[in-house]
Amino acid sequence: DAGITQSPRYKITETGRQVTLMCHQTWSHSYMFWYRQDLGHGLRLIYYSAAADITDKGEVPDGYVVSRSKTENFPLTLESATRSQTSVYFCASSEDSGRGETQYFGPGTRLLVL
Amino acid sequence: AQSVTQLGSHVSVSEGALVLLRCNYSSSVPPYLFWYVQYPNQGLQLLLKYTSAATLVKGINGFEAEFKKSETSFHLTKPSAHMSDAAEYFCAVRPYSSASKIIFGSGTRLSIRP
Repeated sequence: DAGITQSPRYKITETGRQVTLMCHQTWSHSYMFWYRQDLGHGLRLIYYSAAADITDKGEVPDGYVVSRSKTENFPLTLESATRSQTSVYFCASSEDSGRGETQYFGPGTRLLVL
Repeated sequence: AQSVTQLGSHVSVSEGALVLLRCNYSSSVPPYLFWYVQYPNQGLQLLLKYTSAATLVKGINGFEAEFKKSETSFHLTKPSAHMSDAAEYFCAVRPYSSASKIIFGSGTRLSIRP
């Protein structure tokens, strides 16, 4: 089924390990986003990308790295995981059709850092 | 800086009762406004959006929201709650100056009493 998918859906890791969360969309949307969701904070933007090879920081980028070599993929890497990065991570995408465009969200990845 | 405030982290209504979820934004220029819904263990999906056309916006599942510039509000309503409406609701704003970023509120959890 077409859409936006994330993998893995659940991940347990240890402090200091590198973790990569995958995001794939089949719509050829220009924009892709990574958010983290924490109780009491809503969703906070980590990084976003306007097109392949174009990325920019969001509100909370520290400790994260992104890349976008292909339009359909937007992986998020935690270079050295910390307990404060325990969260639910959502990937989203949107068309480049103006400022009122809708963002479409993936199902999320629940990450636990021990 | 642009921001959005959702009044009440948890709202509980009886089945069949009016649903009212409050959202206020801060912006010197009317922004683009959105309501998203998140069902348990799922990503967010768009309920409705305001993009400077009609001030009363109708969305999916019988929800609607009214943009009131004088009150800087964009409250979400539904005349009669259903059990299936139980979810987390997020108000979001895209500042007029931003081509891509959306700022989310902290969310309101809606519970429906039988």
